[in-house]
Amino acid sequence: EVQLVESGGGLVKPGGSLRLSCAASGFTFSNAWMSWVRQAPGKGLEWVGRIKSKTDGGTTDYAAPVKGRFTISRDDSKNTLYLQMNSLKTEDTAVYYCTTVANWGWHFDIWGQGTMVTVSS
Amino acid sequence: QSALTQPRSVSGSPGQSVTISCTGTSSDVGGYNYVSWYQQHPGKAPKLMIYDVSKRPSGVPDRFSGSKSGNTASLTISGLQAEDEADYYCCSYAGRWVFGGGTKLTVL
Repeated sequence: EVQLVESGGGLVKPGGSLRLSCAASGFTFSNAWMSWVRQAPGKGLEWVGRIKSKTDGGTTDYAAPVKGRFTISRDDSKNTLYLQMNSLKTEDTAVYYCTTVANWGWHFDIWGQGTMVTVSS
Repeated sequence: QSALTQPRSVSGSPGQSVTISCTGTSSDVGGYNYVSWYQQHPGKAPKLMIYDVSKRPSGVPDRFSGSKSGNTASLTISGLQAEDEADYYCCSYAGRWVFGGGTKLTVL
């Protein structure tokens, strides 16, 4: 079964850091481009960033609100995607979803169940 | 990139058809055929319903269809069913991804 399972969410103070993980199974993770998408409480979806597969260069790209503060990385030996979040702000409070970028496409075809991050003093 | 514009809500009775619009610019929706649509039930993860403007993943009923004209994409749901009540989000890729604000579909 194809599956993405996020973990690592929780409560953190403004200015703090948190690392999210996303464990993948049921597909060849090393070949997949991966993305993070977030959703603030009661709000819409917002793309956070993307990492290519290592064979495609392994490069990352980020949305403007998180650039310079968030870092996406991957460990293909562990089939795991990471999101390192630093200098957190209250507006980063959201459910964070891990997704795959479809092969030969520009859409998100597999989604995890999400993990909640709350930034509050 | 600014968020794509969707109506906040639409509604329809069982068996009817509804259309949800998604307006962008010539730099995103109008410039590429990379519009996708996601369905999200309360407390659940989004689910891909349409990609590349009008293609349906396997398992998605053919009651769901997509189209595009100029800078506006549309999702049409025909033969509305109670389980279609959900939030729907459009998304466009133009180097980066941008989502619409979401539309709440109510089945009366």
